[in-house]
Amino acid sequence: EIVLTQSPATLSLSPGGRATLSCRASRSVSSYLAWYQQKPGQAPRLLIYDASNRATGVPARFSGSGSGTDFTLTISSLEPEDFAVYYCQQRGDWPGTFGPGTKVNIK
Amino acid sequence: EVQLVESGGGLLQPGGSLRLSCAASGFNFSNSWMSWVRQAPGKGLEWVANIKQDGIEIYYVDSVKGRFIISRDNAKKSLYLQMNSLRAEDTAVYYCARDVVSAMDSWGQGTLVTVSS
Repeated sequence: EIVLTQSPATLSLSPGGRATLSCRASRSVSSYLAWYQQKPGQAPRLLIYDASNRATGVPARFSGSGSGTDFTLTISSLEPEDFAVYYCQQRGDWPGTFGPGTKVNIK
Repeated sequence: EVQLVESGGGLLQPGGSLRLSCAASGFNFSNSWMSWVRQAPGKGLEWVANIKQDGIEIYYVDSVKGRFIISRDNAKKSLYLQMNSLRAEDTAVYYCARDVVSAMDSWGQGTLVTVSS
């Protein structure tokens, strides 16, 4: 089973700040990595698929990069609605494991 | 608009059984892989099972193999999860999701399953 590690566990930033979230896989997943956003009491929402493709309706301030074992989700300028937990998920091998999440807090 | 609505959650004792349902609308259900994903209280996400369009190709995470059965009825646009021999560690919100291979692009609101004596 591929293990995903996300860092940092918590990120405290101010609105307008730049968020850089990391996801590392225990072995290569090629570009088969997705990012999800989850707010309290809500279902996850797909943000990025195949490492760098934005899902329908996702604002351009969200971008993804990386391949192999190292991936990054960047939020260029945080809006109030962006404070949430972000999960990465690898789709390179069954089961499609999720990372433990990064919580983006308001500073 | 894609809609997924789960139902069937509840409180039950260890060893019990429960069947979850997910009603789909707004997309071609019979052409879509579908998945169940769960989230224990205060914890992260865990992919439980998925099922191909034809209902024949199926995958389960090891922790539920032999206990859970995923199925679908394309005529009713519905996904199911039969959960048997439930354990305390199965306590979670269960989400159904449309699986588009690269990711899960649509999710239901979830249904809570609590296993406790």
